[in-house]
Parts: sequence; C-alpha cells; structure tokens
Amino acid sequence: DSGVTQTPKHLITATGQRVTLRCSPRSGDLSVYWYQQSLDQGLQFLIQYYNGEERAKGNILERFSAQQFPDLHSELNLSSLELGDSALYFCASSVAREGNIQYFGAGTRLSVL
Amino acid sequence: AQKITQTQPGMFVQEKEAVTLDCTYDTSDPSYGLFWYKQPSSGEMIFLIYQGSYDQQNATEGRYSLNFQKARKSANLVISASQLGDSAMYFCAMREGRGNQGGKLIFGQGTELSVKP
Repeated sequence: DSGVTQTPKHLITATGQRVTLRCSPRSGDLSVYWYQQSLDQGLQFLIQYYNGEERAKGNILERFSAQQFPDLHSELNLSSLELGDSALYFCASSVAREGNIQYFGAGTRLSVL
Repeated sequence: AQKITQTQPGMFVQEKEAVTLDCTYDTSDPSYGLFWYKQPSSGEMIFLIYQGSYDQQNATEGRYSLNFQKARKSANLVISASQLGDSAMYFCAMREGRGNQGGKLIFGQGTELSVKP
C-alpha cells in the first residue's frame, strides 16, 4: 500500500458528462501529481500541485482542471467527456526534497461510453 | 528534450534466473533522477528503485539493482532470482532537476516481463 488513496476505482460515464476524481496524498506529502495512462499515449503527466498551488502543467486539456485543497487532497475534474478520455488516471504524491520519489495511488479507471 | 526509451516491448525469463530490462534516457540537465516502477495486471504503479544523477554507487533495493552508466545514458534494471510474482509491466522514468522543487516524471513505453515456471 503506497499510502495514496484514489476514489473511485472505476467510473463509467457517457460522452458529454463531467466527472471528479479524488486523491488523498500520503501523510506529510505536499506535492500531488496527476497522470493519464492510455494505450496510445502511454503515461502522460497532466499537472502538479504543491501545497495548494499549481506548480507545473503538462499535456492537460482545457476541458480538464484540478485543484488541491487546504487539507492537501486533490481533485481532477474532467468535463465534456469524449470517448478518447477513457484511460487510467493516476494520482501520485511526494515530499519535494532531494530524490522526490513519487508514490502512486491505485488509479481510477475511467470508461466513457 | 528529455526522453526515455525502452526498446524491449516484452521479455521472458525463467523462474530463479536474473533478468535485465533496458532503459536509455536523454536530457541536457546535469541533475536528474531515474526511477523504475512495476505495474502488475491489477493496474497499480509500484515504486521499485531510484538513482540520482550524482550518485556514485548503483542503487540496490533487495532483488532489484539499477545498472547506471552515465556516459552511455543508460539505467538498466536488474532483477535477480526472478519470481512468478515479478510478471508485470516495468516502466523506466526520469525527472529533471534535483527534485527539491518536485518535478514531473517522463515515462518510457514499458517492458512486459513474463516469468516462466
């Protein structure tokens, strides 16, 4: 168990809908990262938050947004969903220090039908 | 631009034998970190081992070791005494910078390892 909790584990929804993925980082970790894993794109970095502030952005679509709350949990919001958004979404957390090992949650598998 | 290359889409190894999974990387940053993760069929991503670019010694964690050859820009994972439970997808990843400010991971395409009894 990595200590990173993601909910829900599975999500099935229809095109055009909006969903929210939730992540609770390991105790003490201030950095939260979101990644998307799909068959065609592989593992792609989406966005990083550090202590409530956005720190870095990757290939995140404008339809997607994220935030980190004062209790350090994070949410990834995906809207106007398309079939191509079907993927495994990972949250990871780390202590931003030398090394910065990222520990991943179990992921949320999103299926857009 | 930073890049990770894993040239072995799939590999087989006999149980109890050692196996090496290849990883090469490209970066212009003198400070970086290299990571290996394991993804079993259940889907979770499990951290295995980390090597910093300034580390003099190769990293080891139990049956895992990282063969770090800086001049060749390679960071191969060696798994000794393979077990059936080692069957999984293995990803090599890199982070530029020292990490004290965080930093995204760039992943390779992965190598699927199958351990034969």
